[in-house]
Amino acid sequence: TQLLEQSPQFLSIQEGENLTVYCNSSSVFSSLQWYRQEPGEGPVLLVTVVTGGEVKKLKRLTFQFGDARKDSSLHITAAQPGDTGLYLCAGETSGGSNYKLTFGKGTLLTVNP
Amino acid sequence: NAGVTQTPKFQVLKTGQSMTLQCAQDMNHEYMSWYRQDPGMGLRLIHYSVGAGITDQGEVPNGYNVSRSTTEDFPLRLLSAAPSQTSVYFCASKRAANYGYTFGSGTRLTVV
Repeated sequence: TQLLEQSPQFLSIQEGENLTVYCNSSSVFSSLQWYRQEPGEGPVLLVTVVTGGEVKKLKRLTFQFGDARKDSSLHITAAQPGDTGLYLCAGETSGGSNYKLTFGKGTLLTVNP
Repeated sequence: NAGVTQTPKFQVLKTGQSMTLQCAQDMNHEYMSWYRQDPGMGLRLIHYSVGAGITDQGEVPNGYNVSRSTTEDFPLRLLSAAPSQTSVYFCASKRAANYGYTFGSGTRLTVV
């Protein structure tokens, strides 16, 4: 079973602060995805990273895929209350019809005004 | 486009009853999956499909069946409901490997 360890599990910060969420595994992934989930809703895709060392930016969010494709990070600059939510990373392995997408347990972020 | 549509949104079952959770997508996606989400356990893969006629087991398949007769539909059947199957169930679809998923809004199932 592939495991994805997310840290921290909970994070409460003030508006304007920066933060980083980590996603680590001993497995190599063909892609790493980040999602954000609001209460009572399904996860919403933020980004997919595929290449080792890849960095993608989405406004104030920066995503990085580790060189060995085993880990990833999400950095938020100048957090806002609207960033509050559950952030999930998910690692994908695929080969022919053998396919798995494994989720971490998530980081619950609260940004206080 | 409606995206991924799940029905029902809420369901209460008695232990031993069977039911089917419906999932349909209108994006012509090849990959579809069912996940359950439980507090402290995260999202766990139940079954998945990489195309019509092809299904495979995920991490927690026991007690569930799936079929994929069309590209659009991927129903999840609970054979004999148990309290341990109380959870929120999400269906998701995507175009191909290394693409991100589009999730439905979920079905909250309670088994009493």
